[in-house]
Amino acid sequence: AQSVTQPDIHITVSEGASLELRCNYSYGATPYLFWYVQSPGQGLQLLLKYFSGDTLVQGIKGFEAEFKRSQSSFNLRKPSVHWSDAAEYFCAVGGYNNNDMRFGAGTRLTVKP
Amino acid sequence: ETGVTQTPRHLVMGMTNKKSLKCEQHLGHNAMYWYKQSAKKPLELMFVYNFKEQTENNSVPSRFSPECPNSSHLFLHLHTLQPEDSALYLCASSQESGGAYYNEQFFGPGTRLTVL
Repeated sequence: AQSVTQPDIHITVSEGASLELRCNYSYGATPYLFWYVQSPGQGLQLLLKYFSGDTLVQGIKGFEAEFKRSQSSFNLRKPSVHWSDAAEYFCAVGGYNNNDMRFGAGTRLTVKP
Repeated sequence: ETGVTQTPRHLVMGMTNKKSLKCEQHLGHNAMYWYKQSAKKPLELMFVYNFKEQTENNSVPSRFSPECPNSSHLFLHLHTLQPEDSALYLCASSQESGGAYYNEQFFGPGTRLTVL
């Protein structure tokens, strides 16, 4: 069965520093991979998605993620973090059928001034 | 109103109460979802409706009863809940729940439920 592991429960970075959030997945077929962000009091918002093609995908708000099949990973990166990026980030794996989507437990990002 | 709205935003109920959560989507979508979000646990898919038909019930206890009267509205009826049911309940919608192409899900802000 498909599953997602986000090894870091909580990460703190300084504003302006680079960021990498880790995601490892288990999926029997070609995975479709997603990163969502949840700001306090808000629902989840899709940051980016990978289906096929270029393994480096660009998303909104300056985020990018790289799919590495050999490592079963889909890590999220941002070169320079802004205070407004403080939120919870969720990685998810699935397919075209949303019934099959599985989410990780999330990584909470704190940004220090 | 735009996007996906949920009411109430916060709910406190006793174990013997009956209450309902409401979700409304203003996006013209045909699929709606209920998720349970507990602290430090993955988001759990509870129910899926596609064109008003329930297509997924992810082994959810019968004390949670969904209702989808039309493609724009989704309810979650609650009765005799347990304290471990306390969580954030998220509603989402998408054009369809599956098919030949990807259907992005749009989420509401959630209802924070506390069961005493």
